[in-house]
Amino acid sequence: SQQGEEDPQALSIQEGENATMNCSYKTSINNLQWYRQNSGRGLVHLILIRSNEREKHSGRLRVTLDTSKKSSSLLITASRAADTASYFCATDAGAGSYQLTFGKGTKLSVIP
Amino acid sequence: EAQVTQNPRYLITVTGKKLTVTCSQNMNHEYMSWYRQDPGLGLRQIYYSMNVEVTDKGDVPEGYKVSRKEKRNFPLILESPSPNQTSLYFCASSSKTSGRRDTQYFGPGTRLTVL
Repeated sequence: SQQGEEDPQALSIQEGENATMNCSYKTSINNLQWYRQNSGRGLVHLILIRSNEREKHSGRLRVTLDTSKKSSSLLITASRAADTASYFCATDAGAGSYQLTFGKGTKLSVIP
Repeated sequence: EAQVTQNPRYLITVTGKKLTVTCSQNMNHEYMSWYRQDPGLGLRQIYYSMNVEVTDKGDVPEGYKVSRKEKRNFPLILESPSPNQTSLYFCASSSKTSGRRDTQYFGPGTRLTVL
């Protein structure tokens, strides 16, 4: 079952601009993660936010979580051409679970 | 170097010819998983394993088998591949260690085409 759904499906911005991607999910979660995938390659873990956290930062990444709305956002500030990739949110199946359910992803293109 | 490896990376085969995609991790992770990725559908979990000899179905297990005889290896077996199994496959692993278990480490992917 598909848990996380990213929005928009595709996003094109100029280098230096900020990129915001959203993720909505349906059931209660223990934590939410964001992953990045360069074209045709494996996914790389970016950041994890727990259900009792509202905001988290890592370098140019900022993640927010609103459990009342069952949504999360990933903000990439001062984007670079190298940020061009697909971004996926992933939710777990609850406390103690190792299973992750991924959304369909947002394809980000950063134009130099 | 800590990594998840998959072999082969690319495979073209014909309907009905049994194949195995290997996955190996060198991080002593307990949890391993297989996903398939298809355009417009994102990643869908096929099977997962919590530890040696412990496996369970994910969201799309039909047509696949797995085994976990050793901690480091988690092969994906297609007994009779069909064209609808043409996809990009990823293996992933994670640790039970507190604080690390939520992060999954992905292999580079195996692009499978079934004719």
